[in-house]
Formats: sequence, C-alpha cells, structure tokens
Amino acid sequence: GENVEQHPSTLSVQEGDSAVIKCTYSDSASNYFPWYKQELGKGPQLIIDIRSNVGEKKDQRIAVTLNKTAKHFSLHITETQPEDSAVYFCAAGPYGDKVIFGPGTSLSVIP
Amino acid sequence: DTAVSQTPKYLVTQMGNDKSIKCEQNLGHDTMYWYKQDSKKFLKIMFSYNNKELIINETVPNRFSPKSPDKAHLNLHINSLELGDSAVYFCASSQTSGGEQYFGPGTRLTVT
Repeated sequence: GENVEQHPSTLSVQEGDSAVIKCTYSDSASNYFPWYKQELGKGPQLIIDIRSNVGEKKDQRIAVTLNKTAKHFSLHITETQPEDSAVYFCAAGPYGDKVIFGPGTSLSVIP
Repeated sequence: DTAVSQTPKYLVTQMGNDKSIKCEQNLGHDTMYWYKQDSKKFLKIMFSYNNKELIINETVPNRFSPKSPDKAHLNLHINSLELGDSAVYFCASSQTSGGEQYFGPGTRLTVT
C-alpha cells in the first residue's frame, strides 16, 4: 500500500543555520506533495506544497525540492529562527480522496 | 474568523461512556475529514465526507460514527470509550478531496 517515510524524526539546529527534512514515498502515481507545520497545541498548517510538474518551489525562507525518479522530496528552511520550532509533516497523494502523512519531524531551533 | 472550529477543545471522560466532538468550517469547502493523532504525533485519517457523502472510511472500530448534517459540519460520535481512544482528534476541510487541507485546533480526548 501507499507509504510515506520521513527523516529525521528529530532535528536540532542553531538559530541562523539551515534545516533539511527528507521524505520518500512508495506510489509513483503520486503527484501532490504538501508540507505542514504543527506548532504546540495547534492543528497542522500548510506551509508549502509542490506538484509533480515542478522540481523546486521556494517561498521566502522555505523551499521544497522533488525528485520523481527517486520518489523523494525535501523541505529546506534557511536562516532558521526560534519560531520555526515545531513538528513538520510531509504528505503525498492523492490516493483516491486522501493524502498520506509522514510520521513527522520535531524541529528545535536553539537561540 | 475561525476557518475550522472544533468543540470541545478538551474532553475527559471515563471508560464506557459515549461522547461527541463537533466540527464546523466556514470556508465553503466540499470535503471534511477526521484524523486521530496519537502520542507519537502520527496523523492517521479516519473518515472523510464530500458534500455530506462518506468517501473514506479507514479501518476504524464501529464504535466511531461520523455524521455530516450538511457540508459545513462533520461530527464524530464515539460509543463505549476505551483507554486506547485517548488521543488528539483533528477535523480538517479542503475544497476538493485530496487537496490542500485546513485543520481545526484539535480536541484532546482523555479516557480514564
């Protein structure tokens, strides 16, 4: 069945450094890859997404890259700030009417 | 204005009780979802409705019953609560099924 793996599960970086989170997916038919940020006590919020006709997408300090051949995609956060500390989820789909979420990465930005 | 709202935010109850969680979205979306997030933060889809019609029903005990009175509301009723039901339950909505999802603030359910 469909599966999305995500690494690392936890990540600590110094403020100002870059953070990279990587995901792989199993179904080559996937064509939609969103990333969600979940702050403590809140629901996940979409921060960026990419579709399979695009290899890279950037929005200010965050960027996502997609390698369809290898079936993996990555989130890059540059110049990290303490407010970037959160749990980040990748997802892939759609599989019918749903997307499958990765297990999440807990990012800590140390001031 | 809150786009996706859930009530209650916290729910503490004893084993065997029946409880409901309510969800409303004011985004005009056609699709709504229920997710369960366990203590390890894993997000697992439970149900999805599109225009009041059930379209996703994952392997969930039949003690869980969703109801969508209209496309802006999706409620979750849970019968005979068990300890393992303790989790945070998120409602979400999207314009189309499988598209960008907007999540509610979550309901933390604790079964004692």
